[in-house]
Amino acid sequence: DSGVTQTPKHLITATGQRVTLRCSPRSGDLSVYWYQQSLDQGLQFLIQYYNGEERAKGNILERFSAQQFPDLHSELNLSSLELGDSALYFCASSSRLAGGAGTGELFFGEGSRLTVL
Amino acid sequence: EDQVTQSPEALRLQEGESSSLNCSYTVSGLRGLFWYRQDPGKGPEFLFTLYSAGEEKEKERLKATLTKKESFLHITAPKPEDSATYLCAVQARPSSASKIIFGSGTRLSIRP
Repeated sequence: DSGVTQTPKHLITATGQRVTLRCSPRSGDLSVYWYQQSLDQGLQFLIQYYNGEERAKGNILERFSAQQFPDLHSELNLSSLELGDSALYFCASSSRLAGGAGTGELFFGEGSRLTVL
Repeated sequence: EDQVTQSPEALRLQEGESSSLNCSYTVSGLRGLFWYRQDPGKGPEFLFTLYSAGEEKEKERLKATLTKKESFLHITAPKPEDSATYLCAVQARPSSASKIIFGSGTRLSIRP
């Protein structure tokens, strides 16, 4: 158990809909990363927050947004969903801005599997 | 643009048959290179961090090495429980842009 909690584990929705994925980082971790993993793309970096502030952005679509709250949990909002958004969405946390004690040591949750029909 | 390429995509070995996985990277300045293991339906699990060319790290049957252009994950006398997808990732300087970029992974299967 990594200590990172993601909900929901599975989500099935229709095209055009909006969903929110939630992540609770390990206790004390200030940094949260979001990744998308699909069969043909591998793990794609979406966005990173550190102590409530956005710190790095990857190829995140404009239809997607995220935030980190004062209690350090994070939410990833996906709107106007398309079939191609079906994927596993992972949240990872670390204690430092640039990774954990070993730098780059991210602790991943079990993921939220999104299916868009 | 920072890039990570892993090969082969898939590798099937007999139990006890040693081999190596490759990770080639292109970054403006390497802050760190990382190896993760991912089991089906699970999140990646951290294995190693390598910082500079010539560095090596070991854990049980795994040894990771780093050159200026690539990293290798050597697997010695693997067992079926080593079957997983192995992911390589890099972090470039400056660290203020702290995104960590992953390769597509190598799916390793060890037959008893």
